[in-house]
Amino acid sequence: QVQLVESGGGVVQPGRSLRLSCTASGFTFSNYGMHWVRQAPGKGLEWVAIMSHDGSYIQYADSVKGRFTISRDNSKNMLYVEVSSLRPEDTAVYYCAKSWDRTGSHLDYWGQGTLVTVSS
Amino acid sequence: SYELTQPPSVSVSPGQTARITCSGDALPKKFAYWYQQKSGQAPILVMYDDRKRPSGIPERFSGTSSGTMATLTISGAQVEDEADYYCYSTDISGNHRVFGGGTKLTVL
Repeated sequence: QVQLVESGGGVVQPGRSLRLSCTASGFTFSNYGMHWVRQAPGKGLEWVAIMSHDGSYIQYADSVKGRFTISRDNSKNMLYVEVSSLRPEDTAVYYCAKSWDRTGSHLDYWGQGTLVTVSS
Repeated sequence: SYELTQPPSVSVSPGQTARITCSGDALPKKFAYWYQQKSGQAPILVMYDDRKRPSGIPERFSGTSSGTMATLTISGAQVEDEADYYCYSTDISGNHRVFGGGTKLTVL
């Protein structure tokens, strides 16, 4: 079955950077697009970024454009997001999610998330 | 930026029909998707392409879309359906993906 496990979260100071990882299993990772979505404490879901199966298509939410970088390693079944110049408002649970198809369709499976807390 | 609008809350008694709406200007041209998120858990997909139900989702869940509004209907809502529900879609270009603000469904 599809499994997605996020890691790399923690407490980080404002202005610093962090790399979040997502380990995928149970499906052919290189055939599917992958998303990052975040959820601030007590708030709704916010879509963050998408990368197509081969990395040729990338889109970011306006709120993170220029600060977040999505990437993937199909040889390792891994998805990443580098989050830089962190702000307190970036505090959230970060989920990785599998896309229905190779590009950027809807999300069909989600991981359990990793919490990032931006605080001095 | 593109927005999807949902009511903040819907409340029904067990066995009643719950309807959760999602409005967006691009919905006449773009599919709506629905996610259920129970407290402390990751979201799960409960409806895709406006009206298709993933395997394992009870038949009491159904979806429709007309004009600029998509609707998730839970016929005969159960206590276990109590959750936050989010719609998801894209703007007309297909490049800007967005979730609605979420609707808290209370069944009691």
